[in-house]
Amino acid sequence: DIVMTQSPLFLPVTPGEPASISCRSSQSLLLSDGYNYMDWYLQKPGQSPQLLIYLGSNRASGVPDRFSGSGSGTDFTLKISRVEADDVGVYYCMQTLQRYAFGQGTKLEIK
Amino acid sequence: EVQLVESGGGLVKPGESLRLSCIASGFTFSSFAMNWVRKAPGKGLEWVSCISGTSASYIYYADSVKGRFTISRDDARNSLYLQMDSLRVEDTAVYYCARLMPGMDVWGQGTTVTVSS
Repeated sequence: DIVMTQSPLFLPVTPGEPASISCRSSQSLLLSDGYNYMDWYLQKPGQSPQLLIYLGSNRASGVPDRFSGSGSGTDFTLKISRVEADDVGVYYCMQTLQRYAFGQGTKLEIK
Repeated sequence: EVQLVESGGGLVKPGESLRLSCIASGFTFSSFAMNWVRKAPGKGLEWVSCISGTSASYIYYADSVKGRFTISRDDARNSLYLQMDSLRVEDTAVYYCARLMPGMDVWGQGTTVTVSS
């Protein structure tokens, strides 16, 4: 089974500052079609999860361009260029190559 | 409006059964693979099961529910189901249905399942 490992697990950020979350998979998520089979999600307090990034680097509809996904193979990063108060919640990476599996989650908090 | 609405959650005892439903609206339900994902108290998101669109040609389960849970769909009723048998205390969670696009781009509001003696 593919295991997804996120870091850090807790991320305090000052509004207006950038933030970065790392996700590492136990095996490569890059297929010969050129896509990396992983997504990023955010679950805000009291809400259902929402899709941020799909196939490694594609921003979902309605997601601000402050959010970006990068990486390939086994190492991926979600970057927020300027954190806002509304960005608080738990961020998850998920692999979609072999069935599905989420990382442990990274809780972003405003300082 | 594209929407998913779950129902069927409740309080049951260990070993009992429950059937969750998810009704879709605002899109061609039969064309999309669908998933169940759960969030247990104090834990992260856990993928539970997936069923393909049109003809349900593939079905997958997480190891933690395989043999106990059964996913199904009725495209005529725009409905997704999760039959949960032999429930355990550790199945206590909010259960979400989600459309697969790629990426799970539409989620329901969730339905709460509590397994306790």
